[in-house]
Amino acid sequence: EPEVTQTPSHQVTQMGQEVILRCVPISNHLYFYWYRQILGQKVEFLVSFYNNEISEKSEIFDDQFSVERPDGSNFTLKIRSTKLEDSAMYFCASSPPVRAPASNQPQHFGDGTRLSIL
Amino acid sequence: AQSVSQHNHHVILSEAASLELGCNYSYGGTVNLFWYVQYPGQHLQLLLKYFSGDPLVKGIKGFEAEFIKSKFSFNLRKPSVQWSDTAEYFCAVILPSNNAGNMLTFGGGTRLMVKP
Repeated sequence: EPEVTQTPSHQVTQMGQEVILRCVPISNHLYFYWYRQILGQKVEFLVSFYNNEISEKSEIFDDQFSVERPDGSNFTLKIRSTKLEDSAMYFCASSPPVRAPASNQPQHFGDGTRLSIL
Repeated sequence: AQSVSQHNHHVILSEAASLELGCNYSYGGTVNLFWYVQYPGQHLQLLLKYFSGDPLVKGIKGFEAEFIKSKFSFNLRKPSVQWSDTAEYFCAVILPSNNAGNMLTFGGGTRLMVKP
């Protein structure tokens, strides 16, 4: 079964540094998402992306965050100047193209990248 | 804003016991409902989903869930758990009417430990 893959599995970065988290969604999927889970807290939505633009973003997704689909396979999350509170597990997800509403389609998740800010 | 509550944070059962995990959401309109499972060291996997129709939904691995609109609930059940069901279980909601971005709102998760 095709999977969403994320790299790296663990990223350690100094506060204030830029970090890029990478994701390869399932190849025929068109909707892409980032979520994060701070240790001991809920999984939280960050952003969704479709047709080369952001379709929705949460309050967490401020100007420090950006997403990009630089080629036909990768989907990246960039944090421009990391803060201690950005330490979390970051999950990428994708969902397929559909005739029905996209909200009816399950999102397929990657294994996550654990981001640790020092 | 919508929210999802899972009241059981930790559940410990013996093998063959029956399971019911609670999930409640706070939104009065149409919702799409999901249960995801995360086995130790693995990614979130879809167990089952509900959009419309029969409120009793059957998923993989013998799991089922019942949508009760009047109670704003979508509880997950399994008649007889196995040691391999040890995992964290997440209930999640999408509001299709105003959600162009398909944002999933998750509950806090329930850690299930099944003793052999």
